[in-house]
Formats: sequence, structure tokens, C-alpha cells
Amino acid sequence: KAGVTQTPRYLIKTRGQQVTLSCSPISGHRSVSWYQQTPGQGLQFLFEYFSETQRNKGNFPGRFSGRQFSNSRSEMNVSTLELGDSALYLCASSFSPSENTGELFFGEGSRLTVL
Amino acid sequence: GESVGLHLPTLSVQEGDNSIINCAYSNSASDYFIWYKQESGKGPQFIIDIRSNMDKRQGQRVTVLLNKTVKHLSLQIAATQPGDSAVYFCAESNTGRRALTFGSGTRLQVQP
Repeated sequence: KAGVTQTPRYLIKTRGQQVTLSCSPISGHRSVSWYQQTPGQGLQFLFEYFSETQRNKGNFPGRFSGRQFSNSRSEMNVSTLELGDSALYLCASSFSPSENTGELFFGEGSRLTVL
Repeated sequence: GESVGLHLPTLSVQEGDNSIINCAYSNSASDYFIWYKQESGKGPQFIIDIRSNMDKRQGQRVTVLLNKTVKHLSLQIAATQPGDSAVYFCAESNTGRRALTFGSGTRLQVQP
């Protein structure tokens, strides 16, 4: 079956703009998580959604937000972009509704460059 | 689109040798651990996981060892192949958190 699909794969924005990234999870997966990957900070957890509800949030400013739709597709938004927001944004989906993350299946990411 | 750090520790091995990648974790409350492999331009790929009630788990050509006393995790890859060249990340979580904390990664280079 199809894997996790993220769009767009690459995008360039300027400081102060906002960006919306999209993620379609594996069919049947209801949990979607977002991670930011940078050379300096590595992989850092942004937030996790299950059945349209945010269940957990990482230590990122309020400029970072997300949502999940009834079909489990998710979007994340970053407003008032800063140079430091340049990163690979990874979406991961999981079937597990349990207390642990379970096996996360990652997409190939959206690479954001902020100029 | 590469997606990994420029100054990762690197493990270089000969094809056919066994590889051991180590990871130290900090949260003593963590009870779930995963190893991921990330190839250039791709997202992390699940390799193997282990829960804290185990100290060893084996998969196909891979073994994960967990030492909770010293908070150490290792990934052993048997008969390393060129296709194993990638960055390897350990990750930890704990019940109820539903999020992973990733280590900084180790680059594995397999010499033919």
C-alpha cells in the first residue's frame, strides 16, 4: 500500500511569510506526528494528532501549529517564518492508538528553506 | 535532499563484517526504544524496537541490546552490506507520551 505522502517536497520562503505543509498518512493509520530535522538540533518532535485531536506537543513556539482532518490527513503551519525554521519537516503515521507511539512510518519530508 | 547533520560520528566497516552502533539515552522513565535508518534524501525507516521489559531482541540480521542499568542501547548488524550505509538513529519514548526523542545519529559507511 502507499506510504506516507508529504507535499510539497521542496519550498523556498522568505522571512515573515507563512507556510503550510501537508501529510497524507498510510491508509488506515489514524495517528500522525510531525518532526523537524536540522543539522544542529537533529530530529525534534513537533506534535501528534489522533482522530483530529492534538494529543501531544513538543517544545516549539506558537508559530508552529497543526491540525488533522477527519480522513486523517494532516497539515502543519508555520507563521512569521524565521531563518532558523529552515529544516526538513517529517511526517510520520502510525496505526497504534495505544499509549506508546508504536512503529512510526515516515514520509520523505518537506524541505523548507527560509531566505 | 540530504537531511542529516554534517558532523555525525562515523563508523566505517568492511563489507561482510559485523557492525555495532551505540546509543546512550538519558530518560530513566523511557520504556520503549527504536532504531531507525535514514538514507540520504529519505525519511527515517524503522529497523527494530524493544521494550524495557526485554534486554535483547533479534530481527533479520539485526539485534538490539538494552542495558537499563547504564541507559545504553546498541544495534548490531550482522554481515554488513553496502546497502546498510546510512545514518542510524536511536529513539526513546515512554508510555503515554506518544512522541519519540531521537539521538543525534551515527553514520555507517560500508567499504566494499
